[in-house]
Amino acid sequence: GQNIDQPTEMTATEGAIVQINCTYQTSGFNGLFWYQQHAGEAPTFLSYNVLDGLEEKGRFSSFLSRSKGYSYLLLKELQMKDSASYLCAVTDSNYQLIWGAGTKLIIKP
Amino acid sequence: ETGVTQTPRHLVMGMTNKKSLKCEQHLGHNAMYWYKQSAKKPLELMFVYSLEERVENNSVPSRFSPECPNSSHLFLHLHTLQPEDSALYLCASSQDFSRGIGEQFFGPGTRLTVL
Repeated sequence: GQNIDQPTEMTATEGAIVQINCTYQTSGFNGLFWYQQHAGEAPTFLSYNVLDGLEEKGRFSSFLSRSKGYSYLLLKELQMKDSASYLCAVTDSNYQLIWGAGTKLIIKP
Repeated sequence: ETGVTQTPRHLVMGMTNKKSLKCEQHLGHNAMYWYKQSAKKPLELMFVYSLEERVENNSVPSRFSPECPNSSHLFLHLHTLQPEDSALYLCASSQDFSRGIGEQFFGPGTRLTVL
């Protein structure tokens, strides 16, 4: 079957750096997405990786290794507003979008 | 209004009721989606419409009935639901149903409680 694994919950300190991992087992691969979802709100797009390597966008970076079936989202200079759930999703060979259950990130002062 | 809007934001219904969820996108997109989001579970894709035609139906029970009258509006008609159908129902749109590639824009969701 197809599966996306990410930690259920993580805690980090304001101003620090946190890395949220995502591993996937899918039938083929056509890209990986990261979305942010604040409690009670809509998921919003953060990043898209289709080639190996690191994509940097301000305080957020996303890394992909297709050979390892692995991605991470790196958040730097954490702010309280970064407290949210982070969803990893993979497009498989049939172009179906497979979602992870999300990682709830708690930021402490 | 901008982006993707959903009404109502909260809905409580009995198992014998009939209700409808509404989604509207103001982005000029051609594809719209219904998702179910339950606590600590992955998003479940329910229905996909591309240019007003249904292209995906992921084995959703018949008590959920979608309707897409035009590319800007999407409805989810509900009848004789079960308590396990209580969840957050999210609507999303994308430029095209270009086979899953491309950013999806989500509405704020309808929090449904079935008593």
